[in-house]
Amino acid sequence: EAGVAQSPRYKIIEKRQSVAFWCNPISGHATLYWYQQILGQGPKLLIQFQNNGVVDDSQLPKDRFSAERLKGVDSTLKIQPAKLEDSAVYLCASSLDPSGRYVEQFFGPGTRLTVL
Amino acid sequence: GQNIDQPTEMTATEGAIVQINCTYQTSGFNGLFWYQQHAGEAPTFLSYNVLDGLEEKGRFSSFLSRSKGYSYLLLKELQMKDSASYLCAVRDRGTGGFKTIFGAGTRLFVKA
Repeated sequence: EAGVAQSPRYKIIEKRQSVAFWCNPISGHATLYWYQQILGQGPKLLIQFQNNGVVDDSQLPKDRFSAERLKGVDSTLKIQPAKLEDSAVYLCASSLDPSGRYVEQFFGPGTRLTVL
Repeated sequence: GQNIDQPTEMTATEGAIVQINCTYQTSGFNGLFWYQQHAGEAPTFLSYNVLDGLEEKGRFSSFLSRSKGYSYLLLKELQMKDSASYLCAVRDRGTGGFKTIFGAGTRLFVKA
């Protein structure tokens, strides 16, 4: 079974530029998560999708961050414009059935973003 | 509010046993995860506790007390490869559905 795929793995941009990350979850997983992990901290949930609907985006800085999940499969996360404090690893995860027994989240390798 | 506390760092010796504690406060508790994260890598699932008690899985065990808002991860027969961060995460039921809230993680150093 293929895991969660993310691209790019690394990205360096200057502040005020835009950047987009892509995620392909495990096939059949209904729920997709985007997390921000700053060095030395735990992952912070940015947005959670159930199929192509948003379940939670309470911690997404909506003035600069946006995310979509087209057709309930792949997802993109965009930052526009980027700030220095956005430097972090952006993790995508998916789970099969988070409201039932299969609650384990499978994480992708992450995208390490550096904003200069 | 929601709060998860775990020690920042721990050091233990190869072959020994180490216990990593986690305390939490949440309004809609629905289960507790432990994840392992090696430096520069993604978290990987270790355990999930919904009911009180101890669950054992090989060298790793996880304990939950819902009344005390407390969990621990027990690692036995420590190996050098166990050097990693261990993330405690709570599954919380809110108005919009279930959400997972992670603690800051405990960095475990295993020395020879």
